[in-house]
Amino acid sequence: GAVVSQHPSWVICKSGTSVKIECRSLDFQATTMFWYRQFPKQSLMLMATSNEGSKATYEQGVEKDKFLINHASLTLSTLTVTSAHPEDSSFYICSARDSFRGNEQFFGPGTRLTVL
Amino acid sequence: AQSVTQPDIHITVSEGASLELRCNYSYGATPYLFWYVQSPGQGLQLLLKYFSGDTLVQGIKGFEAEFKRSQSSFNLRKPSVHWSDAAEYFCAVALFSGGYNKLIFGAGTRLAVHP
Repeated sequence: GAVVSQHPSWVICKSGTSVKIECRSLDFQATTMFWYRQFPKQSLMLMATSNEGSKATYEQGVEKDKFLINHASLTLSTLTVTSAHPEDSSFYICSARDSFRGNEQFFGPGTRLTVL
Repeated sequence: AQSVTQPDIHITVSEGASLELRCNYSYGATPYLFWYVQSPGQGLQLLLKYFSGDTLVQGIKGFEAEFKRSQSSFNLRKPSVHWSDAAEYFCAVALFSGGYNKLIFGAGTRLAVHP
């Protein structure tokens, strides 16, 4: 149990376009989901916290208009990278919090974004 | 500010040898501490966690970790490493904020296992 999926797992886009990444909790409801960014050979940096039905809370230094987060249901959160540029290329990871399992976060497999 | 330090970026051990991955944290209150493992193509998997109580915590896959408040450490250990343990390991501390825990991760330690 406690499976989190991400789609797509890998995406390449042209500079200036927008890309949407989906994060789904497959077998539990997640009122809170988190979005992380991981640079090569570096740690995960929390970008924002997404709560179902409300606006996301962004970490300091993360551009809200660049990284749009929508948490429309208890099993789906989306991250849209708008007007993507090569510096947005990274590995994006989501996690979902299961309040019935001690608030443990369960992580998705990640999405590799490459902006040309 | 809260932080997590993993001093070893890369460690190589022989299969069957013992393993210790170091983790030091900086946190004002009693920390919630975690160890995760990341394998290619898979999400981070929780190995073990410490909230309170016994300072020696047992996890999955034969891993254990010991919380030492005096040293601000939470080192991960395994008595005998298997080739399948090769992966990236992350130590994390939970920061309670806004009604939930935010995770702050260390830089990670990449473990290579020689046959």
